[in-house]
Amino acid sequence: DQQVKQNSPSLSVQEGRISILNCDYTNSMFDYFLWYKKYPAEGPTFLISISSIKDKNEDGRFTVFLNKSAKHLSLHIVPSQPGDSAVYFCAARFTGGGNKLTFGTGTQLKVEL
Amino acid sequence: DVKVTQSSRYLVKRTGEKVFLECVQDMDHENMFWYRQDPGLGLRLIYFSYDVKMKEKGDIPEGYSVSREKKERFSLILESASTNQTSMYLCASRDQGPEKLFFGSGTQLSVL
Repeated sequence: DQQVKQNSPSLSVQEGRISILNCDYTNSMFDYFLWYKKYPAEGPTFLISISSIKDKNEDGRFTVFLNKSAKHLSLHIVPSQPGDSAVYFCAARFTGGGNKLTFGTGTQLKVEL
Repeated sequence: DVKVTQSSRYLVKRTGEKVFLECVQDMDHENMFWYRQDPGLGLRLIYFSYDVKMKEKGDIPEGYSVSREKKERFSLILESASTNQTSMYLCASRDQGPEKLFFGSGTQLSVL
């Protein structure tokens, strides 16, 4: 049972435009969410996170939005650059922490010139 | 910068072989994790460890075991490799506080 879902396996965007990557979750006990980026032949690297007590977190070109009522989060990249082409994973942590994150299936972003 | 090193980038093994995947981190992190990445399935947690000699099952532990004899090293063991264990294996570590993980570059394992 996939508790964190990324329904778009791929996304193609022109350079300079906005990229919007979406993530839905089913468990209301998730309290912390993260986005990771993965290039081929490398491990995922942390990009940005948001606590469930917030609805927005911004870091440079990257903004994460959280809609708790809809159990939905999104990552906005503005402006998109060719170097942003990668696989993006969202991840979620249960309330109370514990030691593990649940990851989504990933979205391949391609930023075209 | 945190460095998480996985001993092999590519491995090819035969069905039934015992396989060891090694992972070392250099930041004195308490927590270490093994994930596998498969197309369409994302990253799935196999096992994790929050202290030396401590381990807990993740979401898909069947067919795997782990060993953590030293804080910096976390090994994943496939007791008898099967073709459905062909996958990209990713090790990660994390300190107590923040949730963000630091990943190694991965080991692509092929079981023939």
